[in-house]
Formats: sequence, structure tokens, C-alpha cells
Amino acid sequence: AQKITQTQPGMFVQEKEAVTLDCTYDTSDPSYGLFWYKQPSSGEMIFLIYQGSYDQQNATEGRYSLNFQKARKSANLVISASQLGDSAMYFCAMRESYSGNTPLVFGKGTRLSVIA
Amino acid sequence: GAVVSQHPSRVICKSGTSVKIECRSLDFQATTMFWYRQFPKQSLMLMATSNEGSKATYEQGVEKDKFLINHASLTLSTLTVTSAHPEDSSFYICSATGEYKRNTEAFFGQGTRLTVV
Repeated sequence: AQKITQTQPGMFVQEKEAVTLDCTYDTSDPSYGLFWYKQPSSGEMIFLIYQGSYDQQNATEGRYSLNFQKARKSANLVISASQLGDSAMYFCAMRESYSGNTPLVFGKGTRLSVIA
Repeated sequence: GAVVSQHPSRVICKSGTSVKIECRSLDFQATTMFWYRQFPKQSLMLMATSNEGSKATYEQGVEKDKFLINHASLTLSTLTVTSAHPEDSSFYICSATGEYKRNTEAFFGQGTRLTVV
């Protein structure tokens, strides 16, 4: 079974608008972490935001916020005030357990295109 | 954040030859390193997990004799693609974590784009 599901292969957004990228996850581990990464065409993985399973508040990092709905097992990324430079692949990932020695499992990604 | 350096960033090799990819943690001791492979327009798939000083653990379907992983020191892990074939052409990327690194972090190298001709 898919541990991370990203149902939007591609998304378009107008510059300066907000966009939500969907992510649902599946785990029976009560301790887990959720990550979002941006991957431009160069291939590097750029960390955007992290949400821990026990975190009471939704994570925010500048223009990025994570809409964490634990009961629904969803961790949607919201990008506010989109910029042309936001055009890239976006991956949702999960690390089960709180150990840093556990690998991340990635979703299939969403390609975001920002239109001027 | 911590720095993980991966080299080379791009490599083209002939079919049948071997290619070595290095992953270095520059400012921390990487007790564990992960190697991922990403085919075009696809996600990152975990190939193997290596802990310093011990044998790597490979994911199902990954040939350990073809993808040799060595993690001999706390700052360096290498992935050697042996007898490379065109189907091994892919983007390979490493990730490192250390004993004192928070679980909220994951550090990636820049990736290596391998083309086998």
C-alpha cells in the first residue's frame, strides 16, 4: 500500500495567488514526521517544511504552511503569494518513528507551474 | 543546515564499465546514509541504507552485487554501479543523518545524473 499519496500530478497557479498541494499518508506508527521538498530541474532536494505527529500547531515557514489534519491523515502544503520561481516538482515525504536513522518515503510528486 | 556533498553531479559512462558516486558529510558525522534512485518523472525510491562500519541493507529488488555501497567512515559513503547498462541511467541521490541530528532533519546531496551509453 502507498504510504504517501499525492493525487495531483500537475497544478497550475497564477502568480501571487495561493496554491494547495495535497498529500495523504498511511502509517500505524504514532510517531512520525512529515516533510515537504521542492525539486527544481537541477535535481537538488530543497527542504521546505516539517510537521511532527505530536505537534499541536500547523508548521509554517515563510510563504509555506502545512495544513495538518491528523485524523484525516493529510498534510497539505499551502504556498502563499506564488512566485515564478516556485515552479518545480514538490514531494511529500514521511519518516516513520522519530529516529533520524529511518529513511524518508516519498510520494510521487506534484509538478507546480506558476503562470505570470 | 548541515552540508552533504555528492560527486560527481553528472557522469556519462560506457555500457559495461563501473561508476563510483561519492557522498560526503562535510560538517557532521554521518552514522547513517541512504541512497535513492529517481527515474525521469518519477519519485525517489530508496535503494539501500548504510550504517558506518557495517554492511548496507538493500531494499527488495535492488541487486546488491550491482550496486555496491561502502560506508567505511563517518563522513563518506560510496555507491558503485558495476557493469552499468543503459537501464541503470538514472538520478542517484544520497541522504545523510548523524547521531546528534534531530529527526526533524534530513540532509540530501546534490544528486548524480548517470547516463550509460
